[in-house]
Amino acid sequence: DVKVTQSSRYLVKRTGEKVFLECVQDMDHENMFWYRQDPGLGLRLIYFSYDVKMKEKGDIPEGYSVSREKKERFSLILESASTNQTSMYLCASSFFSYPEQYFGPGTRLTVT
Amino acid sequence: TQLLEQSPQFLSIQEGENLTVYCNSSSVFSSLQWYRQEPGEGPVLLVTVVTGGEVKKLKRLTFQFGDARKDSSLHITAAQPGDTGLYLCAGASRAGNQFYFGTGTSLTVIP
Repeated sequence: DVKVTQSSRYLVKRTGEKVFLECVQDMDHENMFWYRQDPGLGLRLIYFSYDVKMKEKGDIPEGYSVSREKKERFSLILESASTNQTSMYLCASSFFSYPEQYFGPGTRLTVT
Repeated sequence: TQLLEQSPQFLSIQEGENLTVYCNSSSVFSSLQWYRQEPGEGPVLLVTVVTGGEVKKLKRLTFQFGDARKDSSLHITAAQPGDTGLYLCAGASRAGNQFYFGTGTSLTVIP
């Protein structure tokens, strides 16, 4: 079974803090994705990566950066957290030419 | 603008009833996926449909891809409380390098 793990299920941070969200997959997938999910807005793509050290902006990259130093690990960084970044963050992975994505359990981030 | 529109947005039904959820777009997709997400968890892949007109069955769930590959439906027969969750459709572009998620249908099955 594909397994995607995320470093935290729940996280509470203060405004202005730097926040790291980590995601690890164990299926040798080339693609990795970061989404945020908000009520009424669905899943919105923040960044994705199709290879080590490669990254592409998604629909809402502002205020976020990513890092992919190893194939199995994809990190999302909030350089200076703001209250409007309070959300559910979902990581996913997939094989390069396959549309099926496998999701982690999510991190519910609250910025106060 | 949402590329994939799902309807209804919310659905609350009694155990044993049947229901259909729709996923519509004006764009053509190379494939379409359906996911179910339980509260506090990530989405879990249910099925992929690829061919126009294709029908796939997963126990009491029936998935259909439109002939023109622009829309899809999910039909649940004799719904059970365990079917409760958020149902998401997702489409892959014809080039296969872009993915779009619908806003979801939140289903509650009351025992």
